[in-house]
Amino acid sequence: DSGVTQTPKHLITATGQRVTLRCSPRSGDLSVYWYQQSLDQGLQFLIQYYNGEERAKGNILERFSAQQFPDLHSELNLSSLELGDSALYFCASSTTGGNEKLFFGSGTQLSVL
Amino acid sequence: SQQGEEDPQALSIQEGENATMNCSYKTSINNLQWYRQNSGRGLVHLILIRSNEREKHSGRLRVTLDTSKKSSSLLITASRAADTASYFCATVNSGAGSYQLTFGKGTKLSVIP
Repeated sequence: DSGVTQTPKHLITATGQRVTLRCSPRSGDLSVYWYQQSLDQGLQFLIQYYNGEERAKGNILERFSAQQFPDLHSELNLSSLELGDSALYFCASSTTGGNEKLFFGSGTQLSVL
Repeated sequence: SQQGEEDPQALSIQEGENATMNCSYKTSINNLQWYRQNSGRGLVHLILIRSNEREKHSGRLRVTLDTSKKSSSLLITASRAADTASYFCATVNSGAGSYQLTFGKGTKLSVIP
């Protein structure tokens, strides 16, 4: 168990809908990362937060947004969903948000029908 | 976009044999990390090697890094059926106060009992 908690584990929704994925980092970790994993694109970095502030942005679509709250949990909001958004979404955390290893949650499997 | 590219994409060996996976990358790095992913689960950190290190060991794992060739290799000795998983290299790029860990597409290792 990595200590990173993601909910829900599975999500099935329809095109055009909006969903929220939730992540609780390991106790003491200040930085949260979101990744998207699909068969064709592999693991894509979406966004990183450190202590509530956005620190780095990757291939995150404008339809997607995220935030990190004062209690350090993070949410990833996906809106106007398309079939191609179906993927496994991972949250990871690290202590300082620097050059260190990441601890991954078990992911949320999103299926857009 | 992928920074690291693993080779081979898939590898099948007998239990007890050694498994070698390679990773090539394109830009200067701070460190290179290897992660393991069991089917559909979260990634687990295996080992981190810094840009000024050439070789690192952890149990049955041996990682080498050649920054002149922009490549790394992961050797798993005396493989076990439980080593069956996908293995990813990930690089941290230098720059601008941000920390972005970029993953390759992975090598799928099958260890046959």
